[in-house]
Amino acid sequence: TQLLEQSPQFLSIQEGENLTVYCNSSSVFSSLQWYRQEPGEGPVLLVTVVTGGEVKKLKRLTFQFGDARKDSSLHITAAQPGDTGLYLCAGARADGTASKLTFGTGTRLQVTL
Amino acid sequence: NAGVTQTPKFRVLKTGQSMTLLCAQDMNHEYMYWYRQDPGMGLRLIHYSVGEGTTAKGEVPDGYNVSRLKKQNFLLGLESAAPSQTSVYFCASSWVGAQPQHFGDGTRLSIL
Repeated sequence: TQLLEQSPQFLSIQEGENLTVYCNSSSVFSSLQWYRQEPGEGPVLLVTVVTGGEVKKLKRLTFQFGDARKDSSLHITAAQPGDTGLYLCAGARADGTASKLTFGTGTRLQVTL
Repeated sequence: NAGVTQTPKFRVLKTGQSMTLLCAQDMNHEYMYWYRQDPGMGLRLIHYSVGEGTTAKGEVPDGYNVSRLKKQNFLLGLESAAPSQTSVYFCASSWVGAQPQHFGDGTRLSIL
């Protein structure tokens, strides 16, 4: 059972466009992390959100944690080719299984000139 | 700054062969993890360790074994490889459980 569903699965856009990636679950998470993975490399942490309703900005990337801590979104403004990659959300469960993360299914983003 | 190092980077096996994947971290992290990544399925946890000498099963442990004899090393073993184990394997480590994880660059394993 995949606890974290991401949408869309694939996204191909042109440079300068805006986009939003969603990460949804029926479970409550104590925190949620977003990673970006480039071909041939491991995922690299972008941000961690902890509080329901929290919004964090990282240059052109805006991350939001849902009020109920069951979902999250990643918005990219004026996408650039350097944003191309696989975006993964990962949640720390709030039910005591605190030793591990649950990863989402991933969103593969391609930004073309 | 090595971080998390995985060896080998690529390997091709025949069905039934055995092999061990090595993960080494130099950050003195307590927690270490092995994942497999398949298209459209994100990262799935195989086994993990919360400290030297400890191991625990993750989401997809069947067909794999692990050992954590030293704090800095976490080994993943395939006793009798099967084509269904063709995947990219990632090792990760963290200070405490479920905190941001540092990943290696993966091992691409093909089983014929």
